Amino acid sequence: DTAVSQTPKYLVTQMGNDKSIKCEQNLGHDTMYWYKQDSKKFLKIMFSYNNKELIINETVPNRFSPKSPDKAHLNLHINSLELGDSAVYFCASSQTRQINQPQHFGDGTRLSIL
Amino acid sequence: AQKITQTQPGMFVQEKEAVTLDCTYDTSDQSYGLFWYKQPSSGEMIFLIYQGSYDEQNATEGRYSLNFQKARKSANLVISASQLGDSAMYFCAMREAYNFNKFYFGSGTKLNVKP
Repeated sequence: DTAVSQTPKYLVTQMGNDKSIKCEQNLGHDTMYWYKQDSKKFLKIMFSYNNKELIINETVPNRFSPKSPDKAHLNLHINSLELGDSAVYFCASSQTRQINQPQHFGDGTRLSIL
Repeated sequence: AQKITQTQPGMFVQEKEAVTLDCTYDTSDQSYGLFWYKQPSSGEMIFLIYQGSYDEQNATEGRYSLNFQKARKSANLVISASQLGDSAMYFCAMREAYNFNKFYFGSGTKLNVKP
């Protein structure tokens, strides 16, 4: 019973390609997130959706486009991939207005650009 | 200003000894929550422990405890009786009541447990 699942786990592709990462949570949470973790392990928030509405949009190139078809799903599409996009991308979810509730993370998608 | 500061990029500890991982935070909110996560080499993020700003007692979860000093704005993680499996990255994070949806993460501390 995976709480937050993201696919694929690994993504190896060439520069210039377009790719998508999917995320689903079965925790009933109303907020979902995308994070990028670079090679130095720094976690950077990219986007957050609350009940399908975009609420956090950090400084991210517009080649990255999130989509939330419903509150249990948050997908990330990346156009024209660049070498600097190589990283681990984490999906996470949380419940709003319950400050003691942590984020739950997926296992990450390791994206490698050749 | 950084919301969460972890000043120890790397730490070593002998197996079976205790270790403290430092975390300081910056907020003007009276209501906030502090979290610690563990990230082993396999990559997943594992929630360890939570401390609320109004909690009078330090949080404990098994071998993990939180040394919460509100006036100093510090929330250090203490791992007792270290095990080899504790070798991992550890992240401190904060959530503020006025902006529930955002979690602020520190840069992490890499802990190595020596046999």
